[in-house]
Amino acid sequence: QVQLQQSGAELVKPGSSVKMSCKASGYTFTSYYIYWIKQRPGQGLEWIGRIGPGSGDTNYNEKFKGKATFTVDKSSSTAYMQLSSLTPEDTAVYYCARGRPLGGYWGQGVMVTVSS
Amino acid sequence: DVVLTQTPSTLSATIGQSVSISCRSSQSLLDSAGNTYLYWYLQRPGQSPQLLIYLVSNLGSGVPNRFSGSGSGTDFTLKISGVEAEDLGVYYCMQATHAPLTFGSGTKLEIK
Repeated sequence: QVQLQQSGAELVKPGSSVKMSCKASGYTFTSYYIYWIKQRPGQGLEWIGRIGPGSGDTNYNEKFKGKATFTVDKSSSTAYMQLSSLTPEDTAVYYCARGRPLGGYWGQGVMVTVSS
Repeated sequence: DVVLTQTPSTLSATIGQSVSISCRSSQSLLDSAGNTYLYWYLQRPGQSPQLLIYLVSNLGSGVPNRFSGSGSGTDFTLKISGVEAEDLGVYYCMQATHAPLTFGSGTKLEIK
């Protein structure tokens, strides 16, 4: 069965970076886009961008350009998102989701807490 | 960016009641190829969102057929025909016709 297994919670300091993973299983990793979505505590959903694991093609929400960077490791069927120059505004749960249909499968989310 | 306005923001329903959630877009979601990329998700408390409806009216895998989606252009509706206790949570519409993808602000369904 299709699964997206995300890495564990992170507590990081302001100004630092964090890199989280989304390991896919149960399907051909390179055939479906991976989407990244942000949800601040008690708030709604916000699209960060997407990556095509086969081509490495990326699309970013303008709001997150310079903040988020997507990569993949095809050998391990894992997608990564790095967030840089973290501020308290980046405290949120970050989800990965698969496309086709969009959001048909979601990871369990990574809670990132930015605090000194 | 496309703004999706969901109404109501909160909905209280009894078991078995039928309810509808509206999602109105600031722009038409029909693309030049004739596709409308409008989706509905349910986020249960403490869980990841799950897909209910894709491309306006297509039921997601494993989703009960009491859920249905309809609409076109800028006006869309999610209907639950006979609410069950497991349907509580926050419902979001999302559009993927225009970049950036955007979500509605959510409709919280409470069970009376």
